[in-house]
Amino acid sequence: EAGVAQSPRYKIIEKRQSVAFWCNPISGHATLYWYQQILGQGPKLLIQFQNNGVVDDSQLPKDRFSAERLKGVDSTLKIQPAKLEDSAVYLCASSLMTGPYEQYFGPGTRLTVT
Amino acid sequence: AQRVTQPEKLLSVFKGAPVELKCNYSYSGSPELFWYVQYSRQRLQLLLRHISRESIKGFTADLNKGETSFHLKKPFAQEEDSAMYYCALYGGATNKLIFGTGTLLAVQP
Repeated sequence: EAGVAQSPRYKIIEKRQSVAFWCNPISGHATLYWYQQILGQGPKLLIQFQNNGVVDDSQLPKDRFSAERLKGVDSTLKIQPAKLEDSAVYLCASSLMTGPYEQYFGPGTRLTVT
Repeated sequence: AQRVTQPEKLLSVFKGAPVELKCNYSYSGSPELFWYVQYSRQRLQLLLRHISRESIKGFTADLNKGETSFHLKKPFAQEEDSAMYYCALYGGATNKLIFGTGTLLAVQP
């Protein structure tokens, strides 16, 4: 089966600019996750969708980050405006449903904010 | 609070030596514990979960609720085991997966 797809793979922007990431989960997976992984740390959940509804966005910095999952399939994560501390790898993952199920990860997008 | 601790950033062993990657957790309920692995230039992927109680690629992990630990073990390390290993905890109360900071396993020839 095709895996989780993400684009772009790399992005370099200046602070205060905006950026958007795209994710296409595994077909049939109801739950989609966006994680932020800062160098030297483990992935941290930013937002979790069940179909096109938000399950958890408690750690999403809502003043600058936004995410949507239209039609319960693809998802986009946007940062506007970016800060230096947003430099990280942004991982998208999907699972069959919400719960303690295996999560399948995409290759990630490495964001550098200068 | 839900927390996962991996005390070692780097573990270096020789091929054929035993491996133990440490993981301790903090959670008030009944946790679901996982080990995820990321090989060089590959995606993060599930290695094993405690509920399945199986051995994957020679690795095993036992949940010790008394010591709140879920250490990953392998009796004889192979060079292809070199990777970044993350312990993760799923808490039903929060419905989210919490990752540790990871341990880089380097198996020397």
